[in-house]
Amino acid sequence: GAGVSQSPSNKVTEKGKDVELRCDPISGHTALYWYRQSLGQGLEFLIYFQGNSAPDKSGLPSDRFSAERTGGSVSTLTIQRTQQEDSAVYLCASSLVRLANTGELFFGEGSRLTVL
Amino acid sequence: DQQVKQNSPSLSVQEGRISILNCDYTNSMFDYFLWYKKYPAEGPTFLISISSIKDKNEDGRFTVFLNKSAKHLSLHIVPSQPGDSAVYFCAANPPGAGSYQLTFGKGTKLSVIP
Repeated sequence: GAGVSQSPSNKVTEKGKDVELRCDPISGHTALYWYRQSLGQGLEFLIYFQGNSAPDKSGLPSDRFSAERTGGSVSTLTIQRTQQEDSAVYLCASSLVRLANTGELFFGEGSRLTVL
Repeated sequence: DQQVKQNSPSLSVQEGRISILNCDYTNSMFDYFLWYKKYPAEGPTFLISISSIKDKNEDGRFTVFLNKSAKHLSLHIVPSQPGDSAVYFCAANPPGAGSYQLTFGKGTKLSVIP
């Protein structure tokens, strides 16, 4: 597609439920990133996928968070047993090569998650 | 520990005047700095960047200045236009294996008043 596509754009869920957020990166981009932005905060790195390499999960805040990337393209971020502190905008980004001082990540519009 | 700090949450500027957005960082290992711009309900978009080996980078109305000794960078927008109204994020890129882990500031909301 023309840009990074994320779905759903908005998700309201009850505490304790599981949610899945989807990201479809720009075609041909080998690197995919998940960030989240909580209210009043900057963007927080969550996870990074590069080609067929093992993902860097070092930013995931707890073991309730997991992500996968199928076929080197679409990625799904799963949050199990959601908590109110998980409420945030979850942003996916992709880039053509691993970000190595080239500067540019292409972000999707984000998925706004609200946990009641 | 916030490694990239944008101490001004908001800034208002008259159209046609200069907008100066500031960013401070604590990690001297950062070697590349970026500015992203974000409109409501949209993802951030890359605006301009600067390598630590430079002290200035200019792109049209946008100029980024880097003062390594002060660990400070700034984004200048001249002249400011109403369409520049957005949230601006400063980000830094550490060298090495974790270079994809951009560290972002909390953002500064710029309002350009017509």
